[in-house]
Amino acid sequence: GQNIDQPTEMTATEGAIVQINCTYQTSGFNGLFWYQQHAGEAPTFLSYNVLDGLEEKGRFSSFLSRSKGYSYLLLKELQMKDSASYLCAVNTPQAGTALIFGKGTTLSVSS
Amino acid sequence: DAGITQSPRHKVTETGTPVTLRCHQTENHRYMYWYRQDPGHGLRLIHYSYGVKDTDKGEVSDGYSVSRSKTEDFLLTLESATSSQTSVYFCAIGSGATDTQYFGPGTRLTVL
Repeated sequence: GQNIDQPTEMTATEGAIVQINCTYQTSGFNGLFWYQQHAGEAPTFLSYNVLDGLEEKGRFSSFLSRSKGYSYLLLKELQMKDSASYLCAVNTPQAGTALIFGKGTTLSVSS
Repeated sequence: DAGITQSPRHKVTETGTPVTLRCHQTENHRYMYWYRQDPGHGLRLIHYSYGVKDTDKGEVSDGYSVSRSKTEDFLLTLESATSSQTSVYFCAIGSGATDTQYFGPGTRLTVL
């Protein structure tokens, strides 16, 4: 079957760095996405990884290791507005063009 | 932001009544998706469309049907709503497997 695991909750303080891990066991792999979702709002796209390595985009970076079925999202210089859920999602050949989502990690940033 | 809207945004209905949710896009994307989001489950795919009149089932399709008669509209119908279908429904659009999916604002449906 398809399985994507993330920690349920994390806490951090303003200005800190936090790493949100995602492990996946899927039949095939086309790419991995990270989305941010504030409470009561729609998910918004953060990053996409298809090759091994680190993708950096401002304060956010995402890493992928296909051989380990592992990714992480790194958030630097945390701000209060980063308090949100972070969703890891994988596309596989079996899923067509749809995404398989993990249950999400709720990050709380305190001052 | 992608031009994608959902209607209604909130709906309360009773068990056994039919319900139709609408997703409308102005981006001319080929693919459209319906997901539901429930606590403890994350986002799960209900149905998706890969073109006008072309649709396929997702992980949790039982009790739902869809239609796509125009590129810009994707309808999700609950023929006879049940309390287990109380959820937040998100529509998404995209251009392919490796392309970003963009989500609509969501519809909060409560079935009493």
